[in-house]
Amino acid sequence: KAGVTQTPRYLIKTRGQQVTLSCSPISGHRSVSWYQQTPGQGLQFLFEYFSETQRNKGNFPGRFSGRQFSNSRSEMNVSTLELGDSALYLCASSLTGNTEAFFGQGTRLTVV
Amino acid sequence: QQPVQSPQAVILREGEDAVINCSSSKALYSVHWYRQKHGEAPVFLMILLKGGEQKGHEKISASFNEKKQQSSLYLTASQLSYSGTYFCGTGGLGGGSNYKLTFGKGTLLTVNP
Repeated sequence: KAGVTQTPRYLIKTRGQQVTLSCSPISGHRSVSWYQQTPGQGLQFLFEYFSETQRNKGNFPGRFSGRQFSNSRSEMNVSTLELGDSALYLCASSLTGNTEAFFGQGTRLTVV
Repeated sequence: QQPVQSPQAVILREGEDAVINCSSSKALYSVHWYRQKHGEAPVFLMILLKGGEQKGHEKISASFNEKKQQSSLYLTASQLSYSGTYFCGTGGLGGGSNYKLTFGKGTLLTVNP
């Protein structure tokens, strides 16, 4: 069974640009959550989607947005990038959202 | 509110036991435990639900005290492969907050030969 796939694995962007990250969940999983991981703050929750609906979101500015498609694949977008957005972005998929979650390898975003 | 994990770091010799604690200031529906090795994705260990039983498998088990809003992860007879950073993630009660996992900052566990 294929795991969670995140693309791209690495990204370098310039301040002010925007970026879109993609996450393909495990087949049959309808919940996708996104997290930002930094050395100082650990894993910070961004948002969770289930069947194309955002059910919860974390305390991030509106520059961070996401969506989920009918095949459960999800994307997150960050507009007007800032240096502080440099981080590892992880997505996790699960059956219902409060069950065992499987993480992807993450996208390492560097903003210069 | 981010749960508080303790200790922040612990060093063990192979075969020793360890306990990692996770404490929340909010009422909880669930506690999830994950282990992340350097450069890898977090891996699920177990989930404990409100009203559920203590969970465990092999030499890793966990408890969930709902009244105190605390969970503990027990690692018995540690092995070198247990090294990594352990995270607890807490899910709140109702209103969709149980779908929002709030993670602690992690506990770095190092097992030496």
